[in-house]
This record gives sequence, structure tokens and C-alpha cells, in this order.
Amino acid sequence: GAVVSQHPSWVICKSGTSVKIECRSLDFQATTMFWYRQFPKQSLMLMATSNEGSKATYEQGVEKDKFLINHASLTLSTLTVTSAHPEDSSFYICSARPSHPGDGYTFGSGTRLTVV
Amino acid sequence: AQSVAQPEDQVNVAEGNPLTVKCTYSVSGNPYLFWYVQYPNRGLQFLLKYITGDNLVKGSYGFEAEFNKSQTSFHLKKPSALVSDSALYFCAVRDNNNNDMRFGAGTRLTVKP
Repeated sequence: GAVVSQHPSWVICKSGTSVKIECRSLDFQATTMFWYRQFPKQSLMLMATSNEGSKATYEQGVEKDKFLINHASLTLSTLTVTSAHPEDSSFYICSARPSHPGDGYTFGSGTRLTVV
Repeated sequence: AQSVAQPEDQVNVAEGNPLTVKCTYSVSGNPYLFWYVQYPNRGLQFLLKYITGDNLVKGSYGFEAEFNKSQTSFHLKKPSALVSDSALYFCAVRDNNNNDMRFGAGTRLTVKP
């Protein structure tokens, strides 16, 4: 079945630094990927839709200059948290949308970001 | 546009008892319905889906779900709960026009020994 690999699984960084999270579709091409943020014991919050070869579409309230998304190929999307602050600490998850509507989204394993 | 509702934030059951996690949906076309499970600090894992055919769908880990078109529901069930079933469960819907998938807010299932 479809597999999405997300790295790193966890990262600790200092305030003011930038962190890049990668999301790869391993055995299928994903023209569309999604990035979510999840706070403890809460649901998924869609941050942005990443489209291969074009600019990402951000949800209302998500700072596009803070959360840079690049989808340069059909198998890779990256999320860069720029100038990270402690309030950016969270669990970030990516997913890829298969082309057939009968297939559900495939999710990465998530990245736990801690900014100290 | 499609939408999903999970009316319960939390479901508590005793180990060995049957469990039900509720989900209702709204979609303009024919629905494709999904259940996912999320364990702590992990991504979402696919459990089962309904596309067409039998209304009762069987999935991973002994879970099943029943599609009810008249009630627009797709409740997740398991005859005998395990402590290891404790997790966050998400219902999702995608219509056959290939629109985006919509997720419910999630239901936290706690199975107590």
C-alpha cells in the first residue's frame, strides 16, 4: 500500500533557529500533500495544502512566512519552521492524497518539534 | 462540501465490553468513508473504509463499521474492547468527485482494565 515517510520523527532546536521537516511518498506520486499541526490531546489542524510545482495554499491564521512549504517534486514536500519559538512546539503531521477518491489519505508518522 | 461529525469527544469502555465510536457525515455525492486511529506521538493509521457494497465493513485489529445511508452514519464498532485499543479515532469522508477528505474532530477512546 501507499507509504509516506516523514522525517525527523522528533527534533529539539533553539529559539531563533529554523527546522525543516520532510514528507516523502515512497511508492506513489503525490501531487497534493497536506500539513497538519496537532496540540496535545486535540484534533488535527490543517495548516496548508502543498501542491507540486506551485505555491502552497495556507489556511486562515497560518503565517506563510513562518511555515515555509516547498513541494518541488511529486514525491517530496517540506515544511520549514523559520525562526522557531517555544510556541511553535507541537506535533506536525503530513499526509498525501492519492489520485483515486476511493483511497484515503496516507499519513506520515509525525514530527515532534520542541523549541527551547 | 462534505463534512463529518464525531459527537463524542471521549468514549470510555471496560475491557471485554463492546465499543462504538460514532460518526455522521454530509456529502453531496456518493460517500467514501474512512476510519483512522492515532496512537500517541504517531501519525494516523488507516483502519477501514467503505466505498461500495456490503454496509458492514471489516478492518484491522477486529474493528468494523456499518454504513447507514438513511442515517448518514458510519459508526465504528468492536465486539470486545482491548486496553491496547485506547487511542484517538478519526472518521473521514471523501466524495466520489475527488474532493478533499474531511476529518472529524476525533474521539478519544479509553479502555479500562
